[in-house]
Amino acid sequence: ETGVTQTPRHLVMGMTNKKSLKCEQHLGHNAMYWYKQSAKKPLELMFVYSLEERVENNSVPSRFSPECPNSSHLFLHLHTLQPEDSALYLCASSQDPLSHNEQFFGPGTRLTVL
Amino acid sequence: RKEVEQDPGPFNVPEGATVAFNCTYSNSASQSFFWYRQDCRKEPKLLMSVYSSGNEDGRFTAQLNRASQYISLLIRDSKLSDSATYLCVVKRGNEKLTFGTGTRLTIIP
Repeated sequence: ETGVTQTPRHLVMGMTNKKSLKCEQHLGHNAMYWYKQSAKKPLELMFVYSLEERVENNSVPSRFSPECPNSSHLFLHLHTLQPEDSALYLCASSQDPLSHNEQFFGPGTRLTVL
Repeated sequence: RKEVEQDPGPFNVPEGATVAFNCTYSNSASQSFFWYRQDCRKEPKLLMSVYSSGNEDGRFTAQLNRASQYISLLIRDSKLSDSATYLCVVKRGNEKLTFGTGTRLTIIP
């Protein structure tokens, strides 16, 4: 099993749809993250979970709703998105959010909002 | 001013050449520094951490200059497989990682 997996890899949705992105890590890490990567912009941290508890929410619009049912799984629920939300959504994990440990990224979900 | 600034490139460099990237950061309280590599349409992966004394890993050398608040990455004897986007990453204490926009490198045969 690869370290961090994400599904789906590609998603096209309309503005009225509801969809969910899934992330799973097989590394035994305690922290998981959602990032957004748009063209010509740096990675933007959206949410941080530590031991299934949300520890950071970077002023993300409520149309993005994270869920962390256990330390290995992380979801991002999407509803009534806007075209400007089209981007690559990357999940990452690390041993814990406070240390200087490396973050391991999943392959990302490329989202297109029509 | 951006927290982490990098020259976006692209840098087009012949195979075998030496190439260097710089990155500047705005917050003097930053404590941890990293270079990540992101291949086209792939996820970022840690290339190397950057230590105060400078560090080397094979053909790659990273340097930190705290006084001037910049980090550098030097790639010697560049290979075609070095073509990627190189992300400068900074961390302040226990806070989040802050990424630069990346420098795109293409090695030309």
